[in-house]
Order: sequence, then structure tokens, then C-alpha cells
Amino acid sequence: DGGITQSPKYLFRKEGQNVTLSCEQNLNHDAMYWYRQDPGQGLRLIYYSQIVNDFQKGDIAEGYSVSREKKESFPLTVTSAQKNPTAFYLCASTGKQGTEAFFGQGTRLTVV
Amino acid sequence: ELKVEQNPLFLSMQEGKNYTIYCNYSTTSDRLYWYRQDPGKSLESLFVLLSNGAVKQEGRLMASLDTKARLSTLHITAAVHDLSATYFCAVRAMNRDDKIIFGKGTRLHILP
Repeated sequence: DGGITQSPKYLFRKEGQNVTLSCEQNLNHDAMYWYRQDPGQGLRLIYYSQIVNDFQKGDIAEGYSVSREKKESFPLTVTSAQKNPTAFYLCASTGKQGTEAFFGQGTRLTVV
Repeated sequence: ELKVEQNPLFLSMQEGKNYTIYCNYSTTSDRLYWYRQDPGKSLESLFVLLSNGAVKQEGRLMASLDTKARLSTLHITAAVHDLSATYFCAVRAMNRDDKIIFGKGTRLHILP
């Protein structure tokens, strides 16, 4: 079955640590996106990528980094520079025509 | 800069009633998405609207798009409790970067 997979589902991070969230899709989609959602809030765009080896900052990129070495994969690293990383992180992908944007199941990150 | 505004942000309504959620956006777009989110879950795609005058219906939900007014509506007919959720609209900017920006969401609570 085609889809988009995020892992892990839950992640705990100590202050000062970097952590990497995985996002993999087997839909042959070109564009991939990372969003952050805080409790009771909407989705805010962190980074997005239209093609391999290229990505752009979204509205809240500070403290995050990404890579797009393969079409299928778009990992997000939450660095120690992100002062308030506790949130629900969602990854999405769309095909060339953007006719539908599919989401993964999300990763809930908590700083302990 | 692309901005997306939804209203209302909160809506409490009786079963059996009709209501409409509005989504306004600030720049030219070629894709308008509607999603549903249940508490603690990821986003479920409801509709993708691609052109001016597009109308799509699924069960008690109907979405429409007016690109000239930069407005989309999600109409709920004869609401039932199972439709209680948060509904998001999202817009893809019609330029070269394929950025997809979300509204803040409408939290819908349907009273029995």
C-alpha cells in the first residue's frame, strides 16, 4: 500500500540534544513538507522541498534542519537551538499536480 | 505573502442544523484543500478543489471554491455528532514554490 510513514510516533528529548524525525513516502511524490502543531493550534510550515537536493524555509525554520537526499525521504532534525520543541510534528507530500496532499501519522515530541 | 483565514474558529451547534465554515486566502492559488482532524490524530483529507466554481460533496459535507473572491466554504448539512472535529483549510500558492499554508482551523462541536 502506498503511503507516508513517520517515525517514531512518540519521542522524548533531553534539553540540549538534537533529535531527528523520519518521514518516508512511497507515493513517488515530488514535494514534501514539515509542519508543527501546538495544542489547540493550526499547522505552521517549517520546511518544504519540491525536488531532491533542494528545500526552502517555511515560516518557522529557526532551530530546525532538513535534508532531501532521496525522493522518498525528508528527515527533520530538531536542534538544541529550538527553544520550545515540544509539539506534534506532521509530514506531508504531494505529487506534481498537487491534487492531493497526504499526511503521515505524526510524531509527538516532548522535551524532558 | 500567502495568508489563510478561517472563521469561525469555534462552533458549537445542535444536531440536525446546517452551518458553513469560511476560508479566505490572500493571494492567487491553484489548490484549496479541506482536512478533518480528530483529537490526537493526524489530518484526514476531505476535499481538493482545483478550479473556480468547483463543488464537491461527501455525505453531509460540501465544499465550494470561488477563486475570484479567494473564498472557499465547507457546508455542513443536518449535522450529526460524528462530525465533531477540527476542520482545516489549506491553500497552495500559485507561484513556483508550491508552499501550502493552513488556516488556524475551526473546532466544531455538535451537541446531541
